[in-house]
Parts: sequence; structure tokens; C-alpha cells
Amino acid sequence: DVKVTQSSRYLVKRTGEKVFLECVQDMDHENMFWYRQDPGLGLRLIYFSYDVKMKEKGDIPEGYSVSREKKERFSLILESASTNQTSMYLCASSSSIQYFGAGTRLSVL
Amino acid sequence: GDSVTQMEGPVTLSEEAFLTINCTYTATGYPSLFWYVQYPGEGLQLLLKATKADDKGSNKGFEATYRKETTSFHLEKGSVQVSDSAVYFCALTHSGGGADGLTFGKGTHLIIQP
Repeated sequence: DVKVTQSSRYLVKRTGEKVFLECVQDMDHENMFWYRQDPGLGLRLIYFSYDVKMKEKGDIPEGYSVSREKKERFSLILESASTNQTSMYLCASSSSIQYFGAGTRLSVL
Repeated sequence: GDSVTQMEGPVTLSEEAFLTINCTYTATGYPSLFWYVQYPGEGLQLLLKATKADDKGSNKGFEATYRKETTSFHLEKGSVQVSDSAVYFCALTHSGGGADGLTFGKGTHLIIQP
């Protein structure tokens, strides 16, 4: 079974903090993705990566950055967290089909 | 840009009822189409997919047919169960190799009552 693991299910941070969301996949997939999920908006693509050290902006990259130092790990970074970044964050990896992690619910206070 | 439109929820049905969740899309070319399902407290799971016109995807009693002429990919099930209660997302991508992100609809919350 494909496994995409997000390190935290729930996270509470304060405004202005630097936040790291970690994602690890065990299927040797080239492609990895970060989405955020908000009620009434569905899922929106933040960033994706098709290889180590490569990254591409998605539809809503503002306020976020990413890091892919190893093939299996893709990190989402909030440089200075703000309350409008309170959301559910979903990581995915793919060869031809995207497999999703369980999500990290982030609250920024 | 690409977009996916799903019927608004919540959709509430009785057990054993027939289900249709409408999905239409706007995209250039011939995207691949997907239905994902999200059970409470979990991530998304692929339910079914179709990669070209007139393809029918099916899984767990659910079906959807890729209709190029109407740009639609409606999800159907003949007899729903309480365990089908979840949020359903229609999505598309232009990348057959999985290298591009998915464009999702807003999701349809399905509630099945016993």
C-alpha cells in the first residue's frame, strides 16, 4: 500500500511564527504536492515538486515556500504564519495517480 | 484556466436510494477526470477515474462516464449505504503521468440516513 505520512494531525501556532509541515512518502514517487482545503473552496494547489530540489508554484503560493532535499520528503514552510493560513493542509505524491496523506489541521492564533 | 463545478451539498438520502452527484468541467484539450472521496477525519482516497472520452470508471458500486460532448463526469450509485456518507470531490488534470496538480471542485457532502 502507498503510504503518505504527514507528521502532525493537529498543530496550533501563533501569528508570526515560522511553521514547518512535513510529508514523507514511501513509494519512490517523483511528484509531490501540497494543497490546502477550506470549507466551500475545496482543495487548492499551493506548490508541487517533480524532482529533488525542484519546485513549481501552484495556484496560491503566496505566503508559503517548500523544500525537497530528499525524494521521499516534501516540506511546506510558512515563513511568518498569519491567521488566514488557518486551514487543513494535505500532502500528496504521485506517479500517475495522486495519493493523499491524512492532513494537518493548522490553527494560527 | 481549468475549473470544476459540482452540485452544492449537503445531499441527504435514505439508505438504498439512487445517487447522482453532478460534475462539469471547463478545460482545454482532453484532461483526465477523477472522483475522490474523503471520509470523516481522513485524507482523500481515489474512488475512480477516466482518462479519455466515453471511458467509464467504476469502483465499489460507483460509476462515472467521461462525456466530452457535455464536459461532464457525473457520479452515480444504484443503492447507497450509510457507510457511503462522506465528502466527494470531482477533479481533473492534464498530466497523464501525474506530474501536474489536480484542479478540484468544491466538494459535495453526502449524508445517508438509515
